[in-house]
Amino acid sequence: AQSVTQLGSHVSVSEGALVLLRCNYSSSVPPYLFWYVQYPNQGLQLLLKYTSAATLVKGINGFEAEFKKSETSFHLTKPSAHMSDAAEYFCAVSSGDSSYKLIFGSGTRLLVRP
Amino acid sequence: EADIYQTPRYLVIGTGKKITLECSQTMGHDKMYWYQQDPGMELHLIHYSYGVNSTEKGDLSSESTVSRIRTEHFPLTLESARPSHTSQYLCASSKPGTGEDTQYFGPGTRLTVL
Repeated sequence: AQSVTQLGSHVSVSEGALVLLRCNYSSSVPPYLFWYVQYPNQGLQLLLKYTSAATLVKGINGFEAEFKKSETSFHLTKPSAHMSDAAEYFCAVSSGDSSYKLIFGSGTRLLVRP
Repeated sequence: EADIYQTPRYLVIGTGKKITLECSQTMGHDKMYWYQQDPGMELHLIHYSYGVNSTEKGDLSSESTVSRIRTEHFPLTLESARPSHTSQYLCASSKPGTGEDTQYFGPGTRLTVL
C-alpha cells in the first residue's frame, strides 16, 4: 500500500535561507507524487507534481522537487525563503489503483523568521 | 486556477441541527472528493465519487452522507451535528484518464458545532 512520511512537523528558516522539506514515500507501483501548500483558512494549492517525466520538477513560487527512486524521496526545496512562504506543506502520493485517491503526509509547517 | 467552490466558508451551529455543505466545480471533472482536516493535522478522505450517481466511503469513517446527482455538484450532509463533527471540510475534484489525477481543492468550510 502507498504511504507518505514527512520528516519534521515544523521547519523554521530565516528569510533568504534555503528551504528543504522532506518527503519519503512507499509505493508498490511507479508513483505519481505531489506537493501542495495550504495557507491559513484556505484549501490546498498545487505546488508541483511528478508524473514519471523529468526527475527534477519545477513548480510555482520558485519551488522545485527532485524524485529519487533509489531513496524513495521527493524533497521540496527553494533556494531563498520569503516571508510569504510561511504555510503548511503536504506531500502526497497517488493510490496507484482505479480509485485514484491521494495519500497525504501529515504535513510540515514552514516558519520564516525575518 | 481551479474553479471549485465551497459554501459556506464558516459555519457555527448548535448540536442536533441538520447541515449541508455545498461543493461545486465548473471544470467538468468526473471525480470529486471530501476530506476532513482537524487544525494542523493531515487530511483524511471521507467520501469520493467517480461520477453521477456514484459515491464511495473514504478511508476515515464519517457519519456524513454525500450525493452526486449532477456532475458539478457534490454536497455533504450531516443529519444531526455534534461537537465531534467540528473540523475543516475540504472538497476536491479531478479529471480521470491520465492516471496522475491531479486534485484541485476548494477553499474549505470550517464547521464549529456547539
